[in-house]
Amino acid sequence: AQSVTQLDSQVPVFEEAPVELRCNYSSSVSVYLFWYVQYPNQGLQLLLKYLSGSTLVKGINGFEAEFNKSQTSFHLRKPSVHISDTAEYFCAVSKVGSARQLTFGSGTQLTVLP
Amino acid sequence: NAGVTQTPKFQVLKTGQSMTLQCAQDMNHNSMYWYRQDPGMGLRLIYYSASEGTTDKGEVPNGYNVSRLNKREFSLRLESAAPSQTSVYFCASSERLAGDQETQYFGPGTRLLVL
Repeated sequence: AQSVTQLDSQVPVFEEAPVELRCNYSSSVSVYLFWYVQYPNQGLQLLLKYLSGSTLVKGINGFEAEFNKSQTSFHLRKPSVHISDTAEYFCAVSKVGSARQLTFGSGTQLTVLP
Repeated sequence: NAGVTQTPKFQVLKTGQSMTLQCAQDMNHNSMYWYRQDPGMGLRLIYYSASEGTTDKGEVPNGYNVSRLNKREFSLRLESAAPSQTSVYFCASSERLAGDQETQYFGPGTRLLVL
């Protein structure tokens, strides 16, 4: 079975500063990796996904993530955050070959301060 | 295109009452899912349906039943609600892309309080 660990439950950061949200996964087989964002009182929205190929993946709203197989990580980054980026961010993984079953991390609350 | 819609948005139940959460998607997706979200635990899969007429248990199916009514609709039923089922419930649907990868799209959620 896979598991996902999001190392920080809360990340406060000032507006226009860079941010990194950390995600590590555990799996005995190849995986697909995802980042979702949840704005207050809304459902989850896909930010970006890694399927194969280039390890640097660009998503919406200026976010990007890098897949590191040796460190089993998929950290999310943004060079300059805005107040509107305040939300909860979830990392998720699915097995190649069983792609319907997503396993989610516990989430990281990003709060952007003025 | 409304995407994935859920009703109701909010519900308060007493212990032992029953209710059905409704979900519909207009994206012609084959697969649909029900998750629950609890503080500090991310989302956990309750049931999923790979196609019309089929359903399978996820990680936390106890206390729930599901019906895949047609390709568009996937309902979740609580026969006898318990306080432990207080949660936010999300429905999702997915499309198959290249190979076996599927991307899931989520509804806005139903907030359920069981007293």
